[in-house]
Amino acid sequence: AQSVTQPDIHITVSEGASLELRCNYSYGATPYLFWYVQSPGQGLQLLLKYFSGDTLVQGIKGFEAEFKRSQSSFNLRKPSVHWSDAAEYFCAVGSYSGTYKYIFGTGTRLKVLA
Amino acid sequence: GAVVSQHPSWVICKSGTSVKIECRSLDFQATTMFWYRQFPKQSLMLMATSNEGSKATYEQGVEKDKFLINHASLTLSTLTVTSAHPEDSSFYICSAESGRLAGDPEQFFGPGTRLTVL
Repeated sequence: AQSVTQPDIHITVSEGASLELRCNYSYGATPYLFWYVQSPGQGLQLLLKYFSGDTLVQGIKGFEAEFKRSQSSFNLRKPSVHWSDAAEYFCAVGSYSGTYKYIFGTGTRLKVLA
Repeated sequence: GAVVSQHPSWVICKSGTSVKIECRSLDFQATTMFWYRQFPKQSLMLMATSNEGSKATYEQGVEKDKFLINHASLTLSTLTVTSAHPEDSSFYICSAESGRLAGDPEQFFGPGTRLTVL
């Protein structure tokens, strides 16, 4: 069965420090992978997505993610975190069964220290 | 990007009453919409897939008679929580799919509806 694992429930980093959020997936075929951010009281915003091609994907707000098939991973990175990046981050895999259902990971809550 | 709205953004109701939540794609047509439920500090759980002009497809464990879904037009899907009980209190999020025919499917999410059942 398809699944997404985000091993880190909480992560705290200092402003200006680098960030890496982990995501591992289980999917039989080539996956469609997504990273979303959810700020308090707001909907999910797409940061970036991977369908095919270059395994290093650039997204909005300075985020990037790298697809590693051998490790079944799609980790999200940012070289320098800003206080406004504090939010909940969700990794998702698109599972096709007539339509593209999303399977979400449990999320990682990012706290940024000033 | 494509915009999806939800109404209401929050609702409080008494136990036993029904509540309707609307999900609209504002600037695109969506033949497929999705309804999710999110418990506090947890992930999104897919409840059902809503297809325009046909019956919704519910995920295992989701009561179709409890959560009625109607997708009457290409821009509107509604979720009705019938005979609501306190355990139905949750954050309900909808999404609308776009781009599938172009080979670039993506779901655009609404801001969510906070339901509290007293």
